Amino acid sequence: DQQVKQNSPSLSVQEGRISILNCDYTNSMFDYFLWYKKYPAEGPTFLISISSIKDKNEDGRFTVFLNKSAKHLSLHIVPSQPGDSAVYFCAASELGSARQLTFGSGTQLTVLP
Amino acid sequence: DGGITQSPKYLFRKEGQNVTLSCEQNLNHDAMYWYRQDPGQGLRLIYYSQIVNDFQKGDIAEGYSVSREKKESFPLTVTSAQKNPTAFYLCATKYSGDAYEQYFGPGTRLTVT
Repeated sequence: DQQVKQNSPSLSVQEGRISILNCDYTNSMFDYFLWYKKYPAEGPTFLISISSIKDKNEDGRFTVFLNKSAKHLSLHIVPSQPGDSAVYFCAASELGSARQLTFGSGTQLTVLP
Repeated sequence: DGGITQSPKYLFRKEGQNVTLSCEQNLNHDAMYWYRQDPGQGLRLIYYSQIVNDFQKGDIAEGYSVSREKKESFPLTVTSAQKNPTAFYLCATKYSGDAYEQYFGPGTRLTVT
């Protein structure tokens, strides 16, 4: 039972355009969400996060939007750069679970020059 | 140089042999985690430890064992009972149980033939 789903295994975007990566979740107890970026044969690195009390969080070129009623979040990257090409994982956390992270299956983003 | 060290980067073993993967951290983080990543899948939790001398099973603990004798170290043993041990193994740490963000090591690619 996948509680966090990333339904698009891959996404290709032209350099300079917007990249939108999507994530859906089913567990209404999740109250904190994170995005990680992963290059091949490396560990994931934290990118940006959002608490369930907010609907938007912005950090430079990266913005995460949360729609609690739809149980949906998205990561926007503007403008996209070739160095953004990586696998992006969505993760969710709930209070009382020792703050374990539940990860989605990832989306491979390719930014074309 | 602070961070999380996983060694070796690549590991090869014959089927039927136990193998231990190393994870060391000097971030003074209380919590440590082991995940495995398989192609096209997200990160799945194997074991985690919130304090020294204590650890809990994650979602896929069968065929694995861990110890947490020191705060800095959380080795993972892949036993011969693990049916599909070939995978990319990631160690992560977190400041405390209530913190949100996990920090990942560079990973170990284990190949069992």
